[in-house]
Order: sequence, then C-alpha cells, then structure tokens
Amino acid sequence: QVQLVQSGAEVKKPGASVKVSCKVSGYTLTELSMHWVRQAPGKGLEWMGGFDPEDGETIYAQKFQGRVTMTEDTSTDTAYMELSSLRSEDTAVYYCATAVLGYCSSTSCFDYWGQGTLVTVSS
Amino acid sequence: SYVLTQPPSVSVAPGKTARITCGGNNIGSKSVHWYQQKPGQAPVLVIYYDSDRPSGIPERFSGSNSGNTATLTISRVEAGDEADYYCQVWDSSSDPYVFGTGTKVTVL
Repeated sequence: QVQLVQSGAEVKKPGASVKVSCKVSGYTLTELSMHWVRQAPGKGLEWMGGFDPEDGETIYAQKFQGRVTMTEDTSTDTAYMELSSLRSEDTAVYYCATAVLGYCSSTSCFDYWGQGTLVTVSS
Repeated sequence: SYVLTQPPSVSVAPGKTARITCGGNNIGSKSVHWYQQKPGQAPVLVIYYDSDRPSGIPERFSGSNSGNTATLTISRVEAGDEADYYCQVWDSSSDPYVFGTGTKVTVL
C-alpha cells in the first residue's frame, strides 16, 4: 500500500528558501515519477514540475524555472522540492503527486497525492 | 500554453444532476481527468481518461469529452459531493500538466 508522507508546515521570510520532502513507502521512488503541485489560499491547482520518464529528466513549469529544484534520495525513497527567493505569493500548500495506483500513466494524471505542506512566506 | 476554463461555481439541489464543464481548444482530442477536492484535503481522482472511474468512486460520477468541452456529471447529488472540482489534461507543450480553473459545487 503506497503512502506519500510530506514534511510539516514551514514559515519563511521573503528571500529565503524552503525545502519540502515527500517520503514514499510501499514502493521505491525509482518506480514512480514524482511531481509537485501547489495551491495558494483560495486558489486553484498549479503544476510546478516533476520527473519525465520519457526523457529521464526533471522538467519544471516555465513559471518556476530558475527558482525551483526537485531532487530525489533513492536511499531513503524521499523526494524533495526546494523553492528559492521566496515571496509572499509563494504562500501555498505544496503537494507531491504521482501515478501509482494503475489508473494513470506516468504522463497523464495523478492518482495519488501526499497530504500537503503549508508554506507561509511572511516578514 | 494550453488553457482550461471552468465555471467558478455550480449549485444543485440534493438528488438532482450537476454538470461541470471544462473548456479548451479542441479538448476532445485530449484525455481529460477530474479531481475532487474537499476543504483541507488533497485532491482525489474521480474520473480519468475522459470517462473511467477509479475503484471506490460512485457510479454517480461520469465524464464525457467532445469538441471544445469536457463535462463531469454528478447524478443524484448528495451533500457529500460538495467540493471543488478540477479538470486536468496532459498537453505536449512546455508545461504539460494543465489544470482547469476549478469549480465549486454547492449542494443547496
């Protein structure tokens, strides 16, 4: 049974960086293509980036390129999303999401999500 | 980049049918997926590949996709269906995962 367990809430000052983790259990991280989606308060879902199995590389949404880095530690089956140069508009819940239950292919949709991590950016 | 447009809100009486649209240029040529999100919770996949339902999702949830509009239909609406709903497609552009603007379903 798969589980994606994310790290706890963070409060950061403008200009700082934040690193959110997503621990996988029930599967190994190498079996999954992990993605990150964020949701600002009262707003919609926004894809930030994730692993593209066809290219074997991590791809980032244009909006976040240069400011986001997604990494994986396969020894602990933990995925990380680091966002730098934080501003108030980055206040949001950050989710890791993947296709693992067999409904979605690795390039279609997300059938399993982490519980979310609230990141608050405030001076 | 590809844009998906949803109505901000839909209101429906219990037992009636709710239809949530998702508009996009020639969306009928793409596979559309739908998520339900209740307050404080992560999204849940309710329809994938236009009209398939994951295990555990009631048959009351159905989907269709043609032309420039995809539709999520919730039949015999229950109070527990009150949530935000998002459509999503995979597009072969620079930002491949695209979400719709979201629709809040209110059960009267």
